[in-house]
Amino acid sequence: NAGVTQTPKFRVLKTGQSMTLLCAQDMNHEYMYWYRQDPGMGLRLIHYSVGEGTTAKGEVPDGYNVSRLKKQNFLLGLESAAPSQTSVYFCASSRPRGLAPLHFGNGTRLTVT
Amino acid sequence: GQQLNQSPQSMFIQEGEDVSMNCTSSSIFNTWLWYKQDPGEGPVLLIALYKAGELTSNGRLTAQFGITRKDSFLNISASIPSDVGIYFCAGQPVNYGGATNKLIFGTGTLLAVQP
Repeated sequence: NAGVTQTPKFRVLKTGQSMTLLCAQDMNHEYMYWYRQDPGMGLRLIHYSVGEGTTAKGEVPDGYNVSRLKKQNFLLGLESAAPSQTSVYFCASSRPRGLAPLHFGNGTRLTVT
Repeated sequence: GQQLNQSPQSMFIQEGEDVSMNCTSSSIFNTWLWYKQDPGEGPVLLIALYKAGELTSNGRLTAQFGITRKDSFLNISASIPSDVGIYFCAGQPVNYGGATNKLIFGTGTLLAVQP
């Protein structure tokens, strides 16, 4: 049972390049989330999804897009990377019942130069 | 965006010492969660609290949901080297509209344990 798997683990981009971060979960969770983690800022929600085919904006959605074509996958896209998007990105999933704890992946460390 | 005030920011202790950290908010929360993050990994849930006044233990860890519903505490007894990591509190404010499970996270407490 792998839980939540993120790929890649590391990536370096140049300003203006695009990329997609992949997240897969094998726990049959309805809800999935993308967070970014920056020093001294804790974790901030970028986008989330409450089910296949649905997505919604979180606290810091600008510059990112997401898609949830399959229940087990949640993709985070950067169309034109900026240095401000240098961060560690975490995917998480949870059951749909209220206040269910989040299960996190191991993160993707992205550097934009 | 709203964030939780977590303190202390860092702690450097000797093995065997007890540790206390806390989170506070200006808003009332209806759940508090405590996570630990090891280097290079994602946060892992330690303890979940769902009722004001609730006191829950997980091995050497004990957490409490404050009576005012605006704070939570995590204690670690008899620390060991593998307790090293960043500890995050997280919670959901009562007045947080929209979908469920949109957690607010604290800024983290870095714990270093010297053998």
